[in-house]
Amino acid sequence: GAGVSQSPSNKVTEKGKDVELRCDPISGHTALYWYRQSLGQGLEFLIYFQGNSAPDKSGLPSDRFSAERTGGSVSTLTIQRTQQEDSAVYLCASSLVGGASYNEQFFGPGTRLTVL
Amino acid sequence: GEDVEQSLFLSVREGDSSVINCTYTDSSSTYLYWYKQEPGAGLQLLTYIFSNMDMKQDQRLTVLLNKKDKHLSLRIADTQTGDSAIYFCAERSSNTGKLIFGQGTTLQVKP
Repeated sequence: GAGVSQSPSNKVTEKGKDVELRCDPISGHTALYWYRQSLGQGLEFLIYFQGNSAPDKSGLPSDRFSAERTGGSVSTLTIQRTQQEDSAVYLCASSLVGGASYNEQFFGPGTRLTVL
Repeated sequence: GEDVEQSLFLSVREGDSSVINCTYTDSSSTYLYWYKQEPGAGLQLLTYIFSNMDMKQDQRLTVLLNKKDKHLSLRIADTQTGDSAIYFCAERSSNTGKLIFGQGTTLQVKP
């Protein structure tokens, strides 16, 4: 079956603009994660969705960042008023469920965001 | 807090063994992982170990876990040029399942 897909694969934007990044998880996966990979910060967790529960937003770096997950499937990460330090690769992952039990997270190819 | 540390770079000759080390802080982590990232490619799960295990072997890969010292290592036997990549150690949060990654170790394999 299809893996995790993300769009766009590359996004170049001007400082101050808003951007939306999309993630399509593997069908049937209830847990969805967003991570960010940047030169200065490595790979860092951003936000986690599990079913209909309230998301864990503890990794979002500022209130310019928000994410939604509609219908328990597709997720959109929105960055408002982008800054140059937002330039990074944004990775999405999904797993059957979240929590403590073992469930492999499958990663998408990422969206490379460049803020000029 | 949760933190994972790795050395940044390792260079070996083809055919040698590579050992990549990692330390973590969250003693409640139930699973620890090794991911591989090749240039321009996504993250690929290589192997994982449950926290009540000391060792796990999978073909050329051996994972050792010292839970007392919170130390994890990945040994790659007979390292090949195709093993050149960035290797990430990660611990899994016992609450949400989010992964806390190390900075990544760049493995360079010289022919």
